[in-house]
Amino acid sequence: GENVEQHPSTLSVQEGDSAVIKCTYSDSASNYFPWYKQELGKGPQLIIDIRSNVGEKKDQRIAVTLNKTAKHFSLHITETQPEDSAVYFCAASKKRSNDMRFGAGTRLTVKP
Amino acid sequence: DSGVTQTPKHLITATGQRVTLRCSPRSGDLSVYWYQQSLDQGLQFLIQYYNGEERAKGNILERFSAQQFPDLHSELNLSSLELGDSALYFCASSTGTGEQPQHFGDGTRLSIL
Repeated sequence: GENVEQHPSTLSVQEGDSAVIKCTYSDSASNYFPWYKQELGKGPQLIIDIRSNVGEKKDQRIAVTLNKTAKHFSLHITETQPEDSAVYFCAASKKRSNDMRFGAGTRLTVKP
Repeated sequence: DSGVTQTPKHLITATGQRVTLRCSPRSGDLSVYWYQQSLDQGLQFLIQYYNGEERAKGNILERFSAQQFPDLHSELNLSSLELGDSALYFCASSTGTGEQPQHFGDGTRLSIL
């Protein structure tokens, strides 16, 4: 089955710096890759997603890139702010599959 | 607000007991997923229902069961509870199956004493 690995497990950056979180997947049939942000006491919230027919997607300060050949995708957060501090999860799923596999999560801390 | 409602928010009970967690999906979503998140752990997929039928099973213990009702709300039943069952239990919903975004509720925190 699909296996999603996520790195790093913790990341600390200074406010205003960029943060990058990377994920790799094993199943070449995977074609949908969402990213979730989980704040303390809340459920994971979808922040951006990308499908396999697209190499990059951007939404304000957040961008996701996908390399299908290498089977990895990354989340980029620019101009980080303290409110970006949270746990971020990547995930992968494919057509006609009924489960989405999540990475182990990255705890991002943005220092003011 | 994701539109997914989970009740109760907190549940404290003792070993050996049985509890029921409830989830109301977003309006229009037919799929419901259940996940377990232990302290500082990732999301472990338990089970998925689509329009009332079980569609996929993950790492769900035999002591756990779920169902989805005709109005599409879902319940997760946990029985013969053990200390290790203490965790956050999340419900998510999506319009269909496969490559669809899942929208999560804020979870039920289960504490076993």
